[in-house]
Amino acid sequence: KAGVTQTPRYLIKTRGQQVTLSCSPISGHRSVSWYQQTPGQGLQFLFEYFSETQRNKGNFPGRFSGRQFSNSRSEMNVSTLELGDSALYLCASSLIGDRGANEQFFGPGTRLTVL
Amino acid sequence: GENVEQHPSTLSVQEGDSAVIKCTYSDSASNYFPWYKQELGKGPQLIIDIRSNVGEKKDQRIAVTLNKTAKHFSLHITETQPEDSAVYFCAASIAVYNFNKFYFGSGTKLNVKP
Repeated sequence: KAGVTQTPRYLIKTRGQQVTLSCSPISGHRSVSWYQQTPGQGLQFLFEYFSETQRNKGNFPGRFSGRQFSNSRSEMNVSTLELGDSALYLCASSLIGDRGANEQFFGPGTRLTVL
Repeated sequence: GENVEQHPSTLSVQEGDSAVIKCTYSDSASNYFPWYKQELGKGPQLIIDIRSNVGEKKDQRIAVTLNKTAKHFSLHITETQPEDSAVYFCAASIAVYNFNKFYFGSGTKLNVKP
């Protein structure tokens, strides 16, 4: 089974621009979560989507948004980029079942650099 | 909310020695505890996990122990090899029906010296 894929792998943008990142979850996984990873803050939760609905959101400004499509693929958008948005953005997918906690599998990430 | 603390932040061991990484959590409702290994330039990879109804789990050279009373869990790597060098993250998850929320530790950089 193919793993979680993210595109693009690397991105360079300038302040004020906007960016869209894409994530394809493992086949059959309907939950997709996004994380921001920086050296200083570690792994911080952005939001989680399930069946095209955002179910949970972390503590990030409204410039960060996302969506999920009917095939479970997800996109994340950051508008009006700031230097501090430079980070590795990770997508993770889960198979939602009825047995409680579910394993979460990460993609390779998109390295965003804001100049 | 949940708070996960991880120690040490860096760990250097000689090849063949054992390595132990410890995490504590604050919310007794947490019931799933995964460990991830992240190599340079890659996303975190799930290496082992444990649920709250189990005290210990082993998979070849790696094992995880959980002490619910003390709210701490640990990763044990035996017979370390240079390819074990990476950053390791612990996480605690509160699962409600079919929804998880994950809280991550700050990571431990493990260096295995040949």
